[in-house]
Amino acid sequence: KQEVTQIPAALSVPEGENLVLNCSFTDSAIYNLQWFRQDPGKGLTSLLLIQSSQREQTSGRLNASLDKSSGRSTLYIAASQPGDSATYLCAVEEYGNKLVFGAGTILRVKS
Amino acid sequence: KAGVTQTPRYLIKTRGQQVTLSCSPISGHRSVSWYQQTPGQGLQFLFEYFSETQRNKGNFPGRFSGRQFSNSRSEMNVSTLELGDSALYLCASSLVTSGVSSTDTQYFGPGTRLTVL
Repeated sequence: KQEVTQIPAALSVPEGENLVLNCSFTDSAIYNLQWFRQDPGKGLTSLLLIQSSQREQTSGRLNASLDKSSGRSTLYIAASQPGDSATYLCAVEEYGNKLVFGAGTILRVKS
Repeated sequence: KAGVTQTPRYLIKTRGQQVTLSCSPISGHRSVSWYQQTPGQGLQFLFEYFSETQRNKGNFPGRFSGRQFSNSRSEMNVSTLELGDSALYLCASSLVTSGVSSTDTQYFGPGTRLTVL
């Protein structure tokens, strides 16, 4: 059974800092890995998708890496801003479009 | 392009009742998935429909069911509601042109907040 773990559970940083969120998964038989953000009481917004054959993806200040063999992914956020405050969720995709989520990292960026 | 829409946004029911939630995917998307989000269990997969067929099902009791229509809209139904069914129910859609996704981002709707009293 796939299990996804995210570390740290919560993070508070001053504005402008670069930060790294970690995600690990137990079964490497995945189709892809996705990072989402969720604002309080809202749905999920897709940030980055890394296919199982890829090593990383970049979008603006975000960079996500994937090491499938070791079951790890990191999300790097450069020059953090207060608007980045949200819960960040990592999910691996299994057959049939099934996403298995981690518990998330609650990020607070202080101005 | 309109995003994923879910109706209703909020719902209050009592134990024993049943409820139907609706999801309209992004135009052209053929796959619709449903998730339950609770503070204790996080996000859990309920089921996925592709071209009106349920392809995958999570570990939920038979009280949870769903269906997909020919226009890809989907509904999920929960019968005999229990207090523990109180949750945010999220729907996601993706393109899935080949039937098996490796490249298609899943787009989530805003969710339906169900409260069972």
